[in-house]
Amino acid sequence: AQSVAQPEDQVNVAEGNPLTVKCTYSVSGNPYLFWYVQYPNRGLQFLLKYITGDNLVKGSYGFEAEFNKSQTSFHLKKPSALVSDSALYFCAVREPSGGSYIPTFGRGTSLIVHP
Amino acid sequence: DSGVTQTPKHLITATGQRVTLRCSPRSGDLSVYWYQQSLDQGLQFLIQYYNGEERAKGNILERFSAQQFPDLHSELNLSSLELGDSALYFCASSVEGSAADTQYFGPGTRLTVL
Repeated sequence: AQSVAQPEDQVNVAEGNPLTVKCTYSVSGNPYLFWYVQYPNRGLQFLLKYITGDNLVKGSYGFEAEFNKSQTSFHLKKPSALVSDSALYFCAVREPSGGSYIPTFGRGTSLIVHP
Repeated sequence: DSGVTQTPKHLITATGQRVTLRCSPRSGDLSVYWYQQSLDQGLQFLIQYYNGEERAKGNILERFSAQQFPDLHSELNLSSLELGDSALYFCASSVEGSAADTQYFGPGTRLTVL
């Protein structure tokens, strides 16, 4: 069975500093991994995904994520945080074979960027 | 704007009542997913439809049902509502529902059961 963990409920970072939001996963095969962002009272917005290929994936709004198979991680990163990046971030995983292709979402990490 | 629309935006009703939530997927998307988001349960998958047929079922209560119509819009019906059904209900759509597909989420319907 697939699962995903976001070990931090909240991440605090100062504006201009690099940010990392952590995600680890568990699947029986190769994973498909996704990051979404949710602003208050809004739906989830797609940021980026890893399917295959380069372990470093670049996405929207300057975000990137690094797939690390040995550590079963897919951490979201941004070199310089903005106050407007403050939101709830969700990691999701899908197993590409033998399943119904329904992603499992983490519980979310609240990112707070301080001015 | 994801291109997925949901109506209504807010819904306030009483226990025991029945409501219908509506979702229109992005143009060209054949697959629709319904999710429930609450503070204690996080984002829970309810049900998926692909081109009018039910494809996958998650933690959907028997009091809840859904369907996808020939024009690909979908409705989620919630009946015999309880206080605990108060939550945000999201619809998402994707092109074909494969594992690599990206899901695009609508703005959600906030349901309050009093």
